[in-house]
Amino acid sequence: KAGVTQTPRYLIKTRGQQVTLSCSPISGHRSVSWYQQTPGQGLQFLFEYFSETQRNKGNFPGRFSGRQFSNSRSEMNVSTLELGDSALYLCASSLEGQGGNTIYFGEGSWLTVV
Amino acid sequence: ILNVEQSPQSLHVQEGDSTNFTCSFPSSNFYALHWYRWETAKSPEALFVMTLNGDEKKKGRISATLNTKEGYSYLYIKGSQPEDSATYLCAFDPGSYIPTFGRGTSLIVHP
Repeated sequence: KAGVTQTPRYLIKTRGQQVTLSCSPISGHRSVSWYQQTPGQGLQFLFEYFSETQRNKGNFPGRFSGRQFSNSRSEMNVSTLELGDSALYLCASSLEGQGGNTIYFGEGSWLTVV
Repeated sequence: ILNVEQSPQSLHVQEGDSTNFTCSFPSSNFYALHWYRWETAKSPEALFVMTLNGDEKKKGRISATLNTKEGYSYLYIKGSQPEDSATYLCAFDPGSYIPTFGRGTSLIVHP
């Protein structure tokens, strides 16, 4: 069974631009969540989607947004990029996103903002 | 904001050594504790999901224990091998949709 797939793997953007990252969850998984990892920080939760609805949102500015499609694929968008947005963005999927569910991660998208 | 602490932050051991790290989490609203192994350039890999106080899980040379009353979990690696080099993450799961991750323990095993 294919794992969580994220595209693109690496990208470089200029300050002020916007970026869209894509995530395909494991087949059958309906919950998709996004995390940001920066040096010295743990995985910071961005948001979680289930059946095309955002159920939870982390403490990030409104420049960070996301959506989920009917096939459970998800995208996240960051507008008006800032240097501090340079990070590894991880997508994760789980069956239902409920307590105790194992979360499966993709390899991440490395974003560099210059 | 939930406080999930992992110690030590990093650890260097020799091949064959046994080692352990700690994950501390809130003792209230506990539902599950997750352990992950994250190798460089790969995705985090789930090791264990632990739910019951006193739980012990084992996977090969890696094992974990759980104390929900005092809010800690230990991860043990017996006879460390270079391929065990990775960052080990724990995540506190209060039963909502989102677990809170610690910052991880970076393990380097020297041949």
